[in-house]
Amino acid sequence: EVQLVESGGGLVQPGRSMKLSCAASGFTFNNYDMAWVCQAPKKGLEWVATISYDGSSTYYRDSVKGRFTISRDNAKSTLYLQMDSLRSEDTATYYCARHQVYYGLYFDYWGQGVMVTVSS
Amino acid sequence: EIVLTQSPTTTAASPGEKVTITCLASSSVSNMYWYQQKSGASPKLLIYSTSSLASGVPDRFSGSGSGTSYSLTINTMEAEDAATYYCQQWSSNPPTWTFGGGTKLELK
Repeated sequence: EVQLVESGGGLVQPGRSMKLSCAASGFTFNNYDMAWVCQAPKKGLEWVATISYDGSSTYYRDSVKGRFTISRDNAKSTLYLQMDSLRSEDTATYYCARHQVYYGLYFDYWGQGVMVTVSS
Repeated sequence: EIVLTQSPTTTAASPGEKVTITCLASSSVSNMYWYQQKSGASPKLLIYSTSSLASGVPDRFSGSGSGTSYSLTINTMEAEDAATYYCQQWSSNPPTWTFGGGTKLELK
């Protein structure tokens, strides 16, 4: 059974940093591109970042470029999101999601999400 | 950047009723993907490649469309279908993944 379990969320002050983790199990982690998708309170879904199966390529939405870094440790089957210079508008639930195999056109499995609140 | 516009934003249906949700893209896209998100839960893949049902999805769900207009249909509404539905597309240059604003479906 595919499982994605996020951790590391909480309350953080504006301008500070936070690192999210996503522990994957039930599939061959290093065969899949992975992503982070966020959802602000009572709002819709927004793709945040994607990393290729081997970590060689990364992609970000414009609003987080230069502030967020997606990475992975295939030996630990773990995905990360380093979030720096956090802003109040980054407040959201962050979901770890697995891309469809080979082409990565959509997200076939999602974690339960972790809440990040940016506030003083 | 391609923008996806869903309609309606909110709707309600009685058990047994047919429901159609529309997703309009600002430019032509090759395929559309649909997700279901129940209250307090994470999203779940519903339909991929416009019309293929994800594993375990009841066959009362169907998807169709092409170009800039796509739709998700629930043939006969059931109570468990009350949820918010999102469409999603992928663009290649640069790679980006975009969601529609969501359609909240309530049980009447």
